[in-house]
Formats: sequence, C-alpha cells, structure tokens
Amino acid sequence: GEDVEQSLFLSVREGDSSVINCTYTDSSSTYLYWYKQEPGAGLQLLTYIFSNMDMKQDQRLTVLLNKKDKHLSLRIADTQTGDSAIYFCAVRSDYKLSFGAGTTVTVRA
Amino acid sequence: DAGVTQSPTHLIKTRGQQVTLRCSPKSGHDTVSWYQQALGQGPQFIFQYYEEEERQRGNFPDRFSGHQFPNYSSELNVNALLLGDSALYLCASSSQTSAQYFGPGTRLLVL
Repeated sequence: GEDVEQSLFLSVREGDSSVINCTYTDSSSTYLYWYKQEPGAGLQLLTYIFSNMDMKQDQRLTVLLNKKDKHLSLRIADTQTGDSAIYFCAVRSDYKLSFGAGTTVTVRA
Repeated sequence: DAGVTQSPTHLIKTRGQQVTLRCSPKSGHDTVSWYQQALGQGPQFIFQYYEEEERQRGNFPDRFSGHQFPNYSSELNVNALLLGDSALYLCASSSQTSAQYFGPGTRLLVL
C-alpha cells in the first residue's frame, strides 16, 4: 500500500511562516492534497497540486512538489492563531486517498 | 449550497451490534467515499461508491458494507461491531473532475 509520512508536531510564532513536510512512496500518485482538521471537525480541503506541477500558490499557501524525491510541502505565510490545527497530506492513487498521520501545528503569540 | 452532510453526529453501540451511518453529498457530486479515522491517526479509506456500485475498496473486512442510492446519497453499514471499530467515520463526496470534500463525520463509540 501507499505510505505517507509527516512530522507529527510543529510550533511556530504568530506572523512567521510555517512549513509542513510530507513524503510518500507511490510514484503513480496523480493528485496530492493538503487538508486541515480542527478539533472535533471533519477535514477541510486547503489546496491540491497535480503530479506534473512543481509549485502552486494560493493566497497565503504555497505547495511545493519534488516528484523525484516524492516530497511535498505546504508553506503558510504570516501564520495566524486560526491556523492552529492538524494538517494532513494525502495522495491520490486510482480513486482512493492515502493520508499521513497528520502534523499538529501550534501557533504561539 | 449545502456541503457534505452526515448523520448521526454521535453514536454509542455495544459489541456485536450493527450500525448504519448516512451521508448526503455536496450538490453536483455523484461519488461518495468513506473513511475511518481512529484517534490520533489519519483517515483510512474504506470504499468508494459511484453509479450505485462499489468502485474501489480498502483493506477492511466484509463486516463493512455500503450502498449508494439513485440520489447519490450513501450508507455505511458495519456488522458485528468490535471495540476497535470506535472511530470517526468520514464521508467525502466528489465529481469526476473535483477533489474529495469531507463531511463533519460521525463519531462512533463501541462499548
């Protein structure tokens, strides 16, 4: 099966940039996603990138994809307290999504 | 435009019982996927329904079954519940050209 790995925790100061990293093993992945989960809630789609792209920017969010190294990252510029949440990397293969264990981002004042 | 809705929000069952969870997809979506998220883990794919058929299945036993109706809504059934089935069950809907959008989930506790 597909393995998706993420670091478990990230602490960042308000106003700084956050970078969340993800590695995956399935080279046939077509789309790669970032989802956000707040306590007790479902998953909110933040952004996604097609596997033939290497960068996508969407307001404060920048996604970088290194397909050779199977490495995906999400940069959040000007991190705010409302960005505190768990962030999941997900890769699509066929019809299913495979998720990492999630990175808990804590924003400190 | 309502997003993905799920019912019930919470459920408590005992071992050996059966449970049915329901999902209504986002308007314009015809595909429903179900995921199980255990505490502290990422979601695990159970299966996906399209055109009222199971299109792909993850590594879950036959105790987990589903159905999709002509209006694209879906049900997840779990038989012979085990303690380990306690989790957040997430439904995601999509179209043939969109990403998967998730509902708020149903939290199942098996005692």
